[in-house]
Amino acid sequence: AQSVAQPEDQVNVAEGNPLTVKCTYSVSGNPYLFWYVQYPNRGLQFLLKYITGDNLVKGSYGFEAEFNKSQTSFHLKKPSALVSDSALYFCAVRDDRGSTLGRLYFGRGTQLTVWP
Amino acid sequence: DGGITQSPKYLFRKEGQNVTLSCEQNLNHDAMYWYRQDPGQGLRLIYYSQIVNDFQKGDIAEGYSVSREKKESFPLTVTSAQKNPTAFYLCASSPLGTAREKLFFGSGTQLSVL
Repeated sequence: AQSVAQPEDQVNVAEGNPLTVKCTYSVSGNPYLFWYVQYPNRGLQFLLKYITGDNLVKGSYGFEAEFNKSQTSFHLKKPSALVSDSALYFCAVRDDRGSTLGRLYFGRGTQLTVWP
Repeated sequence: DGGITQSPKYLFRKEGQNVTLSCEQNLNHDAMYWYRQDPGQGLRLIYYSQIVNDFQKGDIAEGYSVSREKKESFPLTVTSAQKNPTAFYLCASSPLGTAREKLFFGSGTQLSVL
């Protein structure tokens, strides 16, 4: 079975500090991993994805994520947080061997608050 | 502008009433999806379609119905059988054929019960 866990409902950081939003996953085959961001009353916006290759993936708005196969993790990071980064963040996974290729499995989301 | 359009932005349902949420995309994507979002529960898949005239149930299909008569359109009907319909509904699409593709999301419809 495919699943995603985001162990923290909320993450609070001060502006200018580094931030990390955690994600762990479970799949049968090789994972395709995604991060999305959602601002209030809006749809989800794609940030970045890991398919294969370099374990450090760079995405939009200065975000990056590190794929760790041994720990089955894909944590989202940013070296210096901005107040405007405050939003709800979702991690998602697909299995490359899944019969339903279209399905993405989402975590429950982590609310990031960056205070001035 | 290419993208996914959901309408209406806000919708109110009376007891016993069916309501239909619209989702249109001009991205020429084959696959389309409906997700339900409740606070603290993340996104749960209602229905998805990988091709015209075909669709599959997701994890919470009871009380919902869909159709896919055109490639660009994937409307969702919330029926009176859905006893707790208040939620934020998100439509998404993606190209078909590879699991590497990201989903593109609409801006959502907030459904509330009167």
